Amino acid sequence: EAQVTQNPRYLITVTGKKLTVTCSQNMNHEYMSWYRQDPGLGLRQIYYSMNVEVTDKGDVPEGYKVSRKEKRNFPLILESPSPNQTSLYFCATQTGNQPQHFGDGTRLSIL
Amino acid sequence: AQSVAQPEDQVNVAEGNPLTVKCTYSVSGNPYLFWYVQYPNRGLQFLLKYITGDNLVKGSYGFEAEFNKSQTSFHLKKPSALVSDSALYFCAVKAGSYQLTFGKGTKLSVIP
Repeated sequence: EAQVTQNPRYLITVTGKKLTVTCSQNMNHEYMSWYRQDPGLGLRQIYYSMNVEVTDKGDVPEGYKVSRKEKRNFPLILESPSPNQTSLYFCATQTGNQPQHFGDGTRLSIL
Repeated sequence: AQSVAQPEDQVNVAEGNPLTVKCTYSVSGNPYLFWYVQYPNRGLQFLLKYITGDNLVKGSYGFEAEFNKSQTSFHLKKPSALVSDSALYFCAVKAGSYQLTFGKGTKLSVIP
């Protein structure tokens, strides 16, 4: 079964404490992406990766880092989280012109 | 730059009535258009897409969408709404690359 797996699904943490949200896919898709979803703003892209070791900024990259050391994984790193990064985060994958596949989301609350 | 507009934050429709969720887009070149649905506590699920060909596209769960190039629209439709169709719907556009641009979403409520 095609899967995009995000962990954790929920996290409450404090300002400044580094955290990583993992994303793993089993479809061998070359493209992976991170979005954040906020009420009234829809989905906004944070970072994306066209393939291993190739990453680029999306529309809202400030305060985030990513890496793509292997094809299946694309972790999202918040080095020093702040309350304005409280949001619902989605990882997605894609190949060619096929639709993007989404994970079930990670709800982050930063106090 | 490409953009998507979903002019209605919320659409209410009675069960059994037809529903329409509106989407207009702006893009250079030929658009690839998508509709996704999001249920509570879940990720986005693909409903249907338009890449080329017939302007009327049929998708999952009885949904369809009509591509109108002159009006730059891609409205989502269903002839008879179900309570289980209540969810958040997103329109998205892609032009020439992998990157999708999403609308802000429309909350559909189907009233029994």
